[in-house]
Amino acid sequence: AQSVSQHNHHVILSEAASLELGCNYSYGGTVNLFWYVQYPGQHLQLLLKYFSGDPLVKGIKGFEAEFIKSKFSFNLRKPSVQWSDTAEYFCAVKPGSQGNLIFGKGTKLSVKP
Amino acid sequence: EPEVTQTPSHQVTQMGQEVILRCVPISNHLYFYWYRQILGQKVEFLVSFYNNEISEKSEIFDDQFSVERPDGSNFTLKIRSTKLEDSAMYFCASRQYGSGNTIYFGEGSWLTVV
Repeated sequence: AQSVSQHNHHVILSEAASLELGCNYSYGGTVNLFWYVQYPGQHLQLLLKYFSGDPLVKGIKGFEAEFIKSKFSFNLRKPSVQWSDTAEYFCAVKPGSQGNLIFGKGTKLSVKP
Repeated sequence: EPEVTQTPSHQVTQMGQEVILRCVPISNHLYFYWYRQILGQKVEFLVSFYNNEISEKSEIFDDQFSVERPDGSNFTLKIRSTKLEDSAMYFCASRQYGSGNTIYFGEGSWLTVV
């Protein structure tokens, strides 16, 4: 079955630390890849997405993600986190044959001021 | 920026009762979705809807669930006879026509079944 794995359940960082959140998926065909963020008390918001082209994708708020097809991975990175980045981050995959998204379990990021 | 809106934001219901969760998708969007997130678990796909019919549904979306687009603007999820395990955050989402388009989510409706 298709699945999305996020390796870290809860990450705690100090401000200005670098961030990398792992995401791996299991699907052999064409995929569209997404990272969503859910700030406390708010809805899911799109952070960035990859459909095709340059595998290094830049999103909002200084986030970027790199699609590595051979590793079935789409890791999220940010060079220097801020307290306002405290949120839950969800990786999602849309297999080419389907219209819906398959989500990972999410990674909670806590940034200490 | 246009938004997907959902009502109610929180509903508490007794087991066995019927619940209707309402959503107003973004106006020019043609695909509509319901997802749910049980506390502490991942966001799970329930159903997608296009051209006035269900296009995909998951194993979770059994006969207790139904969706409807009653008036061209609202998109509703009905749970006929709620169970304790239906307690979750239910997210409505929508997107434009075209497989590459982003899915936009509403703020969610918290359903607590007691």
